[in-house]
Amino acid sequence: NAGVTQTPKFQVLKTGQSMTLQCAQDMNHNSMYWYRQDPGMGLRLIYYSASEGTTDKGEVPNGYNVSRLNKREFSLRLESAAPSQTSVYFCASRIATGQQETQYFGPGTRLLVL
Amino acid sequence: GESVGLHLPTLSVQEGDNSIINCAYSNSASDYFIWYKQESGKGPQFIIDIRSNMDKRQGQRVTVLLNKTVKHLSLQIAATQPGDSAVYFCAENDGNQFYFGTGTSLTVIP
Repeated sequence: NAGVTQTPKFQVLKTGQSMTLQCAQDMNHNSMYWYRQDPGMGLRLIYYSASEGTTDKGEVPNGYNVSRLNKREFSLRLESAAPSQTSVYFCASRIATGQQETQYFGPGTRLLVL
Repeated sequence: GESVGLHLPTLSVQEGDNSIINCAYSNSASDYFIWYKQESGKGPQFIIDIRSNMDKRQGQRVTVLLNKTVKHLSLQIAATQPGDSAVYFCAENDGNQFYFGTGTSLTVIP
């Protein structure tokens, strides 16, 4: 049982390049989330998927797209990377929205956009 | 938006002492609260949670206290150990989204 896994661990991009961050969970959770973490700020929600087949914007969705490929996988895509997207990205999963249960986080992807 | 803040950005304690980390929240509708521990280079790790119908919950060496009157949450770590050195942050949930504090950096002095 690996929990939440993310790939890659590190990535350096040039401005304008695109990339997809991958996330998978093996806990049979319904809900999945993408956050970014910047120095001096709390985790900010980019997008979430309450259940397979649905996605919704969070607090900071601009410049990102997501795909809930199946129940296990939730990917985050940067179509045209900008230096402001330099951050640490965390994927999380949770049994379901509306439940008083915690989220479980992956190890993060550290992204540098030059 | 919601705000979840920590009173102290850094905290240094002697090994073996107890640690107390505080958090203020602003949304009266929040009914579920979590403390996370984040070590350098790693993802947040669940420590303990508490529901709004409780005032106190204990885990192994950790206790969370919830004061709904003043919208305050605290994490107490007993007999703090070097392995407890990390950033700790709280989160609140209003039934929809989670809102996270910025964190307190705890350093344990051997």
